[in-house]
Amino acid sequence: ETGVTQTPRHLVMGMTNKKSLKCEQHLGHNAMYWYKQSAKKPLELMFVYNFKEQTENNSVPSRFSPECPNSSHLFLHLHTLQPEDSALYLCASSQGPTTSTGELFFGEGSRLTVL
Amino acid sequence: SQQGEEDPQALSIQEGENATMNCSYKTSINNLQWYRQNSGRGLVHLILIRSNEREKHSGRLRVTLDTSKKSSSLLITASRAADTASYFCAIRGGSNYKLTFGKGTLLTVNP
Repeated sequence: ETGVTQTPRHLVMGMTNKKSLKCEQHLGHNAMYWYKQSAKKPLELMFVYNFKEQTENNSVPSRFSPECPNSSHLFLHLHTLQPEDSALYLCASSQGPTTSTGELFFGEGSRLTVL
Repeated sequence: SQQGEEDPQALSIQEGENATMNCSYKTSINNLQWYRQNSGRGLVHLILIRSNEREKHSGRLRVTLDTSKKSSSLLITASRAADTASYFCAIRGGSNYKLTFGKGTLLTVNP
């Protein structure tokens, strides 16, 4: 496996379900990110982790709960979501959020539909 | 806002033509990056230009940066149908490590 891998690629859930999105990076990076991409809107940064520590929470509702057990893995736990949470959720990694370039490497995304 | 804004929102051209997309922003930057996204897929980094650079090339891509006008352009020469995708500029602020994205330009290259 190379790059950034996200699972599942597609997820349909009811508003009362609990599900999780998983992201794994094989690039030796120290920083990992969750972005939300909705139609007609810019990518929204949700969370940033640097060396497993959360360094950014962009006012994300508590129904989204991130977890970063190590520098290679990132989860997004989902609970009692709303239909407006339907979007493409993108995971990304970089060498470190404070490096001079900040180039991001993205996974293929998890398409979430909330019914 | 540190967010870049791409223009046009959508662009349709014929194969072989050049495609130019623009990005404007409002704050000082450390660097500006361009990404590409095929429909429903992840973003792929294309090219990065630092605030002290004016032009960079990578294959058929040419990026310019004008910090006095707070704008950048991405030129794709001799376009191909496979270039059909959304293109995003991303701003890395001067004092903020975060990378913020615009809404993107949807490029369609017709065979």
